[in-house]
Amino acid sequence: GQQLNQSPQSMFIQEGEDVSMNCTSSSIFNTWLWYKQDPGEGPVLLIALYKAGELTSNGRLTAQFGITRKDSFLNISASIPSDVGIYFCAGQLSSTLGRLYFGRGTQLTVWP
Amino acid sequence: NAGVTQTPKFQVLKTGQSMTLQCAQDMNHEYMSWYRQDPGMGLRLIHYSVGAGITDQGEVPNGYNVSRSTTEDFPLRLLSAAPSQTSVYFCASSYSSASLRPTGELFFGEGSRLTVL
Repeated sequence: GQQLNQSPQSMFIQEGEDVSMNCTSSSIFNTWLWYKQDPGEGPVLLIALYKAGELTSNGRLTAQFGITRKDSFLNISASIPSDVGIYFCAGQLSSTLGRLYFGRGTQLTVWP
Repeated sequence: NAGVTQTPKFQVLKTGQSMTLQCAQDMNHEYMSWYRQDPGMGLRLIHYSVGAGITDQGEVPNGYNVSRSTTEDFPLRLLSAAPSQTSVYFCASSYSSASLRPTGELFFGEGSRLTVL
């Protein structure tokens, strides 16, 4: 199956710091998405990207769809304790019906 | 709206037992799917459905069966549970585009934690 390489695997940061994580793929995706999972909950969509080069913000979160369509990044500015959780990237191929491929996740810990 | 509802939330099985994880959504979504989440492995697609009567295999389908007799329900069946199926299972649904692909904006249930002894 398709592999999305998500990094870093985990991050330990101080409150107020900025965070950056990314996903790369060997295949070209037509959609990139970023999800967040709080402990004991299902993932929730943060940002969806549909065009190469697209840069989208959602509050303190900013994500970009790479020009090559093989990568995406997510930035979180001025982190706060409630940013703690697992962040997943996900992508959809234009050639594959019905499938989203997920990265392995980035575990974010924010120290007050 | 309840969104995506999964039952049970917790289940313990013995090896060889069978069970069904239930999933229901009330958003009239055409697309429904099942994922399993294991530590360090992310979310892996088990089976999915693009509409009632249509199902297909995902990345890790072995040991699981699904059916989609209605738009609302998408149960996942374990025919003979194995310890390797110990995991957290998530059901997710989405609208579909005109080409029947999920829009990507998946709505997840709260998960079902399964332990097979």
